Amino acid sequence: DAGITQSPRYKITETGRQVTLMCHQTWSHSYMFWYRQDLGHGLRLIYYSAAADITDKGEVPDGYVVSRSKTENFPLTLESATRSQTSVYFCASSHQSGEQFFGPGTRLTVL
Amino acid sequence: AQKVTQAQTEISVVEKEDVTLDCVYETRDTTYYLFWYKQPPSGELVFLIRRNSFDEQNEISGRYSWNFQKSTSSFNFTITASQVVDSAVYFCALGGGRTTNDYKLSFGAGTTVTVRA
Repeated sequence: DAGITQSPRYKITETGRQVTLMCHQTWSHSYMFWYRQDLGHGLRLIYYSAAADITDKGEVPDGYVVSRSKTENFPLTLESATRSQTSVYFCASSHQSGEQFFGPGTRLTVL
Repeated sequence: AQKVTQAQTEISVVEKEDVTLDCVYETRDTTYYLFWYKQPPSGELVFLIRRNSFDEQNEISGRYSWNFQKSTSSFNFTITASQVVDSAVYFCALGGGRTTNDYKLSFGAGTTVTVRA
């Protein structure tokens, strides 16, 4: 199906483990984004990418790593998960007119 | 820097009442885009509208309408004859400026709308 998907939808992990959240879009959008959403903080940009092999930091990049070897995929890795990274993570993509289309979100709990 | 302010944290109305959500923005760009998103209790983020800075025409889509006033840097959203299904968090966002040229969006903190039956 066309659109933007995220996997897993729910993830429970332990402090110190590496976790990768996947994001895949079928629109061939150039731009892709990762946000986290926490109560009291709204949506905060973690990383974004303008094209394959081009990534840049957003507002809260510490503790996260991204890659974009293919236009359609934009995985987000937590290298060593911490409790403060418990959050809902949203991936989004956009074309140049600017509106971003969001995936369904991944709810991550770090114990 | 770009900034979006949604001063109303929560709004509670009774069904069939109108509700207006305020959005004020700051930007140095002369060309930019404004957006509204809806996040219902199920959690997904739904794109509602995009408005270009050079187009100040108001827009109506069913029970939804948007009032863009460049002079006051505002892009307000009105739900007419609200329904329970309108209960959600609504986010205003700003982006697409030529200065940044990276298509990031700056989001407001969101307004939680509760429509009571």
